[in-house]
Amino acid sequence: GAGVSQSPSNKVTEKGKDVELRCDPISGHTALYWYRQSLGQGLEFLIYFQGNSAPDKSGLPSDRFSAERTGGSVSTLTIQRTQQEDSAVYLCASSAGTSGSNSYEQYFGPGTRLTVT
Amino acid sequence: GNSVTQMEGPVTLSEEAFLTINCTYTATGYPSLFWYVQYPGEGLQLLLKATKADDKGSNKGFEATYRKETTSFHLEKGSVQVSDSAVYFCALRLSGTYKYIFGTGTRLKVLA
Repeated sequence: GAGVSQSPSNKVTEKGKDVELRCDPISGHTALYWYRQSLGQGLEFLIYFQGNSAPDKSGLPSDRFSAERTGGSVSTLTIQRTQQEDSAVYLCASSAGTSGSNSYEQYFGPGTRLTVT
Repeated sequence: GNSVTQMEGPVTLSEEAFLTINCTYTATGYPSLFWYVQYPGEGLQLLLKATKADDKGSNKGFEATYRKETTSFHLEKGSVQVSDSAVYFCALRLSGTYKYIFGTGTRLKVLA
C-alpha cells in the first residue's frame, strides 16, 4: 500500500506569509507525528495525534504553529506569519498506535522543505 | 533530561571498510532504541531496533547492541558498500510513551 505522503515537497514563501503543509498518513494508522529537521540538527518533535485523543502540542515552538487532523486521517500543519528561522524540512510520520511490540514503529514521509525568504 | 548523542559526521570510508557510528543516550526508565537511515532524496526509514538491555538489532548487515551499563547503542557494519551512503539517526522512545528523541544524525559517505 501507499506510504506516508506529504505536500508540497518544496515551498518557498516570503517572511510574514502563512503556509500550510499537508500529510497523508498510511491508511489505518491512528498515530501521526510532525517533526522539524533543521540543518545540522536532529529531528525536533512538534506535535502528536493519537486517535480521538487530544493532541500533544508540547513541541510546537510558538503560537504561530498549529496543526489539525481531520477525520483521524489527513493532517495539516499551519505556520502563520512565517519567519526565516522557520526554514527547515518538516517531516510527518505515522504509526499503528496500538498495543504490541511494533505498535509505535514510525513510517516517515519524504518531508516538505520550507524556505522563508 | 532525556537526550541522544551521536558522533558528528561526515564519516568517509572506502568500500569494504568497517563502520562504527557511536550513539549514547540519557533517559529515565527503560527506553527502546532505534537506528533510522535516510538515503539521498528519500524519507527516514527504520533500520533496526532493540527494546531491552542486551538485545541486538540487526538488518542489512548492520548491528547494534543495547548496552544499558554504558547507555550506548553503537551502530556497526563489517563491510560497507557505496549504497550505504546515507544519514544515520539514533533515536530512543521513552518507556510507556509514544515520544521519540532523535540524535542529530551522522552522514556516511562510502567511496568506491
